[in-house]
Amino acid sequence: EVQLVESGGGFVQPGGSLRLSCAASGFSFTAYWIHWVRQAPGKGLVWVSRINIDGTITTYADSVKGRFTISRDNAKNTVYLQMNSLRAEDTAVYYCARGDLYYHDSCDSWGQGSLVTVSS
Amino acid sequence: DVQLTQSPSSLSASVGDRVTITCRASQSISSFLNWYQQKPGKAPKLVIYVASILQSGVPSRFSGSGSGTDFTLTISSLQPDDFATYYCQQTYSPPLTFGRGTKVEIK
Repeated sequence: EVQLVESGGGFVQPGGSLRLSCAASGFSFTAYWIHWVRQAPGKGLVWVSRINIDGTITTYADSVKGRFTISRDNAKNTVYLQMNSLRAEDTAVYYCARGDLYYHDSCDSWGQGSLVTVSS
Repeated sequence: DVQLTQSPSSLSASVGDRVTITCRASQSISSFLNWYQQKPGKAPKLVIYVASILQSGVPSRFSGSGSGTDFTLTISSLQPDDFATYYCQQTYSPPLTFGRGTKVEIK
């Protein structure tokens, strides 16, 4: 069974940092792109970032570029999202999702989400 | 960035109704469009990808069509499990933007 499990969310003050993890199991992790998508409370989905199979290609939304860094450890079947200089508007549930094997940007499996709250 | 405009933002329908949701892109995106279903408190679920390909395990009452700038998601006979919010997403060029969602409610 494909599983993606996010962890690392929590409460942080503006300007602080958090690192989210996305632990994958049940599939050949090294063959798949991974995405992060967030959803502020009561709002819609916002794509945040993606990483290719070996970590050599990373892409970010403009709103997080320069503050967030996506990476992966294929030995641990885990993707990370390092979030620095956090702002109140980064408050959201953060989902990691697997891109389809052939259509890398179509997310066919999702984690349960991890809540990040940025507040003073 | 490619902007996606979904309409309507919400609709009320009855079980058995045919439902159509539209998504318009601010520029041509070929067929690089996905549709997701999301229920409250749950992660999104892929329904349609590349505009018209039904994701494995999704009932055949769901269908997608369109190319270029205009796309539709159709539910041929609405079922109780289909009441949810639906989002379109373009994957033509990053950032991979989503529409603002269409909430399908019970009439």
